[in-house]
Amino acid sequence: EVQLVESGGGLVQPGGSLRLSCAASGFTFNFYWMSWVRQAPGKGLEWVASIKQDGSEKYYVDSVKGRFTISRDNAKNSLYLQMNSLRAEDTALYYCARLEGSSWYWGKWGQGTLVTVSS
Amino acid sequence: SYELTQAPSVSVSPGQTASITCSGDKLGDKYACWYQQKPGQSPVVVIYEDSKRPSGIPERFSGSNSGNTATLTISGTQAMDEADYYCQAWDSSTGVFGTGTKVTVL
Repeated sequence: EVQLVESGGGLVQPGGSLRLSCAASGFTFNFYWMSWVRQAPGKGLEWVASIKQDGSEKYYVDSVKGRFTISRDNAKNSLYLQMNSLRAEDTALYYCARLEGSSWYWGKWGQGTLVTVSS
Repeated sequence: SYELTQAPSVSVSPGQTASITCSGDKLGDKYACWYQQKPGQSPVVVIYEDSKRPSGIPERFSGSNSGNTATLTISGTQAMDEADYYCQAWDSSTGVFGTGTKVTVL
């Protein structure tokens, strides 16, 4: 069974840092692009970042460029999101998701980990 | 930046057809997909590549995309289809979601 399990969320003060992790199982992790997608409380979905199978290509939404870094460890079947200089507007449920197909759609999602940025 | 616009809400009677639209500049030149999200749950893709259904998605879900508008159609809507629906497309390797539509089955 394909599973994506996020961890690392929590309460952090503005300007602080947090590292999210996503443990993948049930599929060949290094075959897939992976992404982080977030959802602020009561709001819609927002794509955050994506990373190629070998980590050689990374893309970010403008609002996190220079602050967030997506990475992966294929040996550990894990995806990460290093979040620095956090702002209140980064408060959201962060999902790890697997990109599929040539047209890129998210076919598998984790349950999400909640990040709250507040003093 | 690229934007996708959806109506905030759509109401439909059980058994009737619900149409959810997604508007964006030259959206028809891109692939559109649709995600269903029920309260407290992670999103699930119901349509990808404009009109393809993943395995396990009922045939009552269909999609189209032309010009500036992509459309998700739910035929014979059931109570279990009540959810938020988001369209999504890629613009130069940047993922863009629509604003979301809440479908209420009355």
